[in-house]
Amino acid sequence: DTAVSQTPKYLVTQMGNDKSIKCEQNLGHDTMYWYKQDSKKFLKIMFSYNNKELIINETVPNRFSPKSPDKAHLNLHINSLELGDSAVYFCASSQSSYNSPLHFGNGTRLTVT
Amino acid sequence: RKEVEQDPGPFNVPEGATVAFNCTYSNSASQSFFWYRQDCRKEPKLLMSVYSSGNEDGRFTAQLNRASQYISLLIRDSKLSDSATYLCVAKAAGNKLTFGGGTRVLVKP
Repeated sequence: DTAVSQTPKYLVTQMGNDKSIKCEQNLGHDTMYWYKQDSKKFLKIMFSYNNKELIINETVPNRFSPKSPDKAHLNLHINSLELGDSAVYFCASSQSSYNSPLHFGNGTRLTVT
Repeated sequence: RKEVEQDPGPFNVPEGATVAFNCTYSNSASQSFFWYRQDCRKEPKLLMSVYSSGNEDGRFTAQLNRASQYISLLIRDSKLSDSATYLCVAKAAGNKLTFGGGTRVLVKP
């Protein structure tokens, strides 16, 4: 079974549309994340939730709104999509202990045309 | 200055050779460190954690130098399948994990 699963895997949409990406983990982790990997391959943290509470909110446009209905799910909604939003978005989870690594989903490749 | 910096490479390595590369971090409060491997169009996957005393996992050896704020990864007896981008990660308080830009390694026959 996939430990961290996100859907969809590919998302092609036009500028101005609103879209959502879903993520679920079955590892029993208490912390979940959204990372963005742009064309230059840099992985940048966007948000982190610990037990449904937002704990990290980097400088991200407020068109991006994460939602965590429970600690096993973290969804990402994006309003008014722009060309610059095209990237690969990775969901990840970990335990909050200091030496716990991240486990990634297989990514959502978003293309905005 | 980026929080976590890596030489982007590529490091062109003959099959069977040894390759090593470093990663520097600027946050002295970073508590733990990891190496990840990312193949083209795939998600990053944990390669190994980095322990203070250094650690080995098969052909891979990781070292941490807190005084100089860098970690290193050494790959012995390189295989073609080791070709990938290697990402360094520093974890600070508050569960913030910061990634380096990655070092690309190409192992050639």
